[in-house]
Amino acid sequence: RKEVEQDPGPFNVPEGATVAFNCTYSNSASQSFFWYRQDCRKEPKLLMSVYSSGNEDGRFTAQLNRASQYISLLIRDSKLSDSATYLCVVKAGRRALTFGSGTRLQVQP
Amino acid sequence: GAVVSQHPSRVICKSGTSVKIECRSLDFQATTMFWYRQFPKQSLMLMATSNEGSKATYEQGVEKDKFLINHASLTLSTLTVTSAHPEDSSFYICSAAGLESSYEQYFGPGTRLTVT
Repeated sequence: RKEVEQDPGPFNVPEGATVAFNCTYSNSASQSFFWYRQDCRKEPKLLMSVYSSGNEDGRFTAQLNRASQYISLLIRDSKLSDSATYLCVVKAGRRALTFGSGTRLQVQP
Repeated sequence: GAVVSQHPSRVICKSGTSVKIECRSLDFQATTMFWYRQFPKQSLMLMATSNEGSKATYEQGVEKDKFLINHASLTLSTLTVTSAHPEDSSFYICSAAGLESSYEQYFGPGTRLTVT
């Protein structure tokens, strides 16, 4: 079983749509949680950290459920520029980041 | 945010040759550097963790004699792919973490290796 599981997609949505991605992780010792965005042939870039209380950054809302070991990302009012692969990432202590395989989003005009 | 560079960004080499990839932290001292590999449509997979001045710790299934890692200074780590084969063709990405930001990692732009 993968340590971080994500639906690979692709999610094809029209501009302006709201889309949600989910992720589950298996390591209960995980302490830090993130969503990264990766464009084709580029390095991943941090989109936002995820906190137990839930957090929002503009059109992006992230939620964490530690009991269920479940993380989500909601994108409202999708833009064409949101098209990318979204990586769910967890970290335990000083260990390296553990990446999910990513969910591909394609926003269409 | 902090800046991490990688060189080269793209390399094509012949089977059997060795390739060295450099990862540099430009504006902070990186006590720990991580090397990842990403095959097409797959996740980033951690290959090894290197701490300045000590031997790298390799993940299960990664051959330490094939992927030589050197972290000789607080701003530079190198990954050498020895006797490269076509199956080593991949996207290699490093990330660096500093003392003050031990929980934050900064990624280099990656190196695309093609072995012919």
